[in-house]
Order: sequence, then structure tokens, then C-alpha cells
Amino acid sequence: QQQVKQSPQSLIVQKGGISIINCAYENTAFDYFPWYQQFPGKGPALLIAIRPDVSEKKEGRFTISFNKSAKQFSLHIMDSQPGDSATYFCAASMRETSGSRLTFGEGTQLTVNP
Amino acid sequence: DSGVTQTPKHLITATGQRVTLRCSPRSGDLSVYWYQQSLDQGLQFLIQYYNGEERAKGNILERFSAQQFPDLHSELNLSSLELGDSALYFCASSAGVLTEAFFGQGTRLTVV
Repeated sequence: QQQVKQSPQSLIVQKGGISIINCAYENTAFDYFPWYQQFPGKGPALLIAIRPDVSEKKEGRFTISFNKSAKQFSLHIMDSQPGDSATYFCAASMRETSGSRLTFGEGTQLTVNP
Repeated sequence: DSGVTQTPKHLITATGQRVTLRCSPRSGDLSVYWYQQSLDQGLQFLIQYYNGEERAKGNILERFSAQQFPDLHSELNLSSLELGDSALYFCASSAGVLTEAFFGQGTRLTVV
């Protein structure tokens, strides 16, 4: 059962534009929401993460917006650059006694044109 | 570099065979996770170990097994391989509860 739905599947933006990727989750027990960036041939790399006690978190050009009541969260990439072209995955996990496994969205392939 | 090391990077094997994938977590991390990434299934959690003990199981086939050794490295064993097992296998590690998980570069398994 897919518990995290991600959209769009692919996204093309121009250099300097804003890239927006959306995710929705079902399990209200989730309490940690990271975003990962993956380049071809590489492993996913943690980009930014948020916990449900805040509605927004910003790190440089990357911002997560979180809407707990709607069970949705999104990634905004400001001033998108060609080097941002990659696949982005949202994920969710819940607190467990000894670590947490991630449930991933389907991924969004972002292309930033120069 | 995430600090998580996976070997080998590439593996080509025949159907019916058995392979072992190896993972060395970041220094100090007690949790190791295995994920499978395929085109049709995306990134799927397989299994988690914490300080040598199995802690969570996901969509892991009975033909697959894993273990974590006293030095905290982990191995994922895949047996009776089928064509559909061809995928990228990632190992990730984290320090503990709800801390960031860092992924290795993956092992690309091709079953022919």
C-alpha cells in the first residue's frame, strides 16, 4: 500500500524559476518528513527535513512547507539552477524505538533548463 | 560522500544464483537499513537492523536475508535470483531514533 503520494512525476523549469514538488501522506503516525535528492548513479542524499510541529523550514534555496491538517507537504526550490536537475523523493517515517524506516514517494524528475 | 560504503558497485549474475551485498555504515551509526530501488516499484524498504538485531521488516522476499555483525557492518543475501530481482540495492545508516538516514552509493544487481 502506497502511503506517500508524490507529484508531479516530472517537472521542467527554467533557470531562475521556482520548482514545486508536492507530497501527501495517509498515516497520521508519521512524524518525520525528509526530502532526498538523487543524481543518476548515486544514492539518495538528504536535502532537508521537517517535523510536524513546524509549518515551514528553509535551508538556503530549499523550503519545506507542511500542512498537518491536510496531510500534505511540499518542497520549493527557489532560483532553480541546472545543477538542481535530479530526481527528488519525499519520504515519511514514524518514531520507533530504535530507528525509523522511510516510506518514499514515487519520485519527481526535475529538469532545469539553462 | 555520505560515509556509508557499499560493495560491490556492480554485480552481474545468472538466474538461480546467490549473491551477497555488503554495507559498512557511517562511523558510530547503529542502525542499518536496506532498500531496493527498481523502475516499477521505486524505493522500497526491505529490512532494518539495530546494533546487531533485526528491528523491522518491509517488503523483503523469503529468498532474501540479512544480518548485522558485531562490527556493525551488514550483509544482504539474495538467493535463487530471478530476473525481477535486478535493481539497485541501497544501504543506509542512522545513529538511532528519528535521526537522519544516510545512503550509500548502492549496488546495481543485474540478473541475466
